Amino acid sequence: ETGVTQTPRHLVMGMTNKKSLKCEQHLGHNAMYWYKQSAKKPLELMFVYSLEERVENNSVPSRFSPECPNSSHLFLHLHTLQPEDSALYLCASSQDRALSALHFGNGTRLTVT
Amino acid sequence: GQQVMQIPQYQHVQEGEDFTTYCNSSTTLSNIQWYKQRPGGHPVFLIQLVKSGEVKKQKRLTFQFGEAKKNSSLHITATQTTDVGTYFCAGRSGGSYIPTFGRGTSLIVHP
Repeated sequence: ETGVTQTPRHLVMGMTNKKSLKCEQHLGHNAMYWYKQSAKKPLELMFVYSLEERVENNSVPSRFSPECPNSSHLFLHLHTLQPEDSALYLCASSQDRALSALHFGNGTRLTVT
Repeated sequence: GQQVMQIPQYQHVQEGEDFTTYCNSSTTLSNIQWYKQRPGGHPVFLIQLVKSGEVKKQKRLTFQFGEAKKNSSLHITATQTTDVGTYFCAGRSGGSYIPTFGRGTSLIVHP
């Protein structure tokens, strides 16, 4: 049990589908993150939310749309994805303090066909 | 922007050999963290270094933070098959709580 729960664990979707990834944290943290991890690239920071406000958006294509309704929940809405978007999507949470550690969820393995 | 370089990208060792991964930042860091990701798993926090020249140990793992707070290393003594995984460093600077991750070093231990 990581304290950060991601669903689904695996997702296969076509390029015309719309799907959403969900993340929930039970640690009382006030910052949440989406990372993309591909086989040939390092951890890529996509979005950061602090107290439900987006504080970072790393030039992510608009086909990825984040939503943070409260400090415990984070969503990543997906639409018209490309095959190169296939990757492991990791959610993490932390306190918004410089000395806090990130706690990652198990990730969602996404395959775009 | 801040960049964190990590080398090597891969390291094969025989069980019992030592292993070291190095992390270098383009800017002075306020702190550095190390994470381990087992194959098929997610990154898990190992440790955090804050002070210049700091050295911390966790059993066979030794973590160092450089005097200039721009580099760090993780050394594993007498590797075991349970050490297999990818080790990431993550640095913070300028008071930001958002870390910049290195590319990671994948450790493969041959029995």
